[in-house]
Amino acid sequence: GQQVMQIPQYQHVQEGEDFTTYCNSSTTLSNIQWYKQRPGGHPVFLIQLVKSGEVKKQKRLTFQFGEAKKNSSLHITATQTTDVGTYFCAGTEGAQKLVFGQGTRLTINP
Amino acid sequence: KAGVTQTPRYLIKTRGQQVTLSCSPISGHRSVSWYQQTPGQGLQFLFEYFSETQRNKGNFPGRFSGRQFSNSRSEMNVSTLELGDSALYLCASSSVGGTNTEAFFGQGTRLTVV
Repeated sequence: GQQVMQIPQYQHVQEGEDFTTYCNSSTTLSNIQWYKQRPGGHPVFLIQLVKSGEVKKQKRLTFQFGEAKKNSSLHITATQTTDVGTYFCAGTEGAQKLVFGQGTRLTINP
Repeated sequence: KAGVTQTPRYLIKTRGQQVTLSCSPISGHRSVSWYQQTPGQGLQFLFEYFSETQRNKGNFPGRFSGRQFSNSRSEMNVSTLELGDSALYLCASSSVGGTNTEAFFGQGTRLTVV
């Protein structure tokens, strides 16, 4: 079945450093979504990418969807303590269910 | 607009028992999906209901079942609980379901099986 792999599993950075998490699918995706889960919280939708090669920005966050629609990345510039949490990608190849990656847990040293 | 509400928030059960979890979606949302979240496995899809019909199912044993009512509220049942069922169970609602719409998650029910 469809698998979505996400790396790294953990990332610890100094405040102000950049952070990137990568998502790779075994199959071509229809679209990909990104979620953030704060410690003790629930996943919150960040963005959806649909087009091949699409790039979207939200302030310090940059999201990319690969040309082949099999991979995606989330890059945070100049991390802040409010960025702490686990970032999940979720993709689908057409079925009605989202398949989540295992998430990247980001911790930040202030 | 009220968010997704899950009850109860915390639950402790004994092996062999059964449990029912409830999820009230955002008003107007017809799709409800259930996920199991554990530290090692991330978010695992259980099933999705849309207009009272199960539309998709994940790879969980038959002990895990669910249903959706006419008001879109959904329940998830786990029978013959095992220690490995201890997890955070999250439900997510969306307006029409599918994968082209944002999913809104509830706070989850933390189930501990002892």
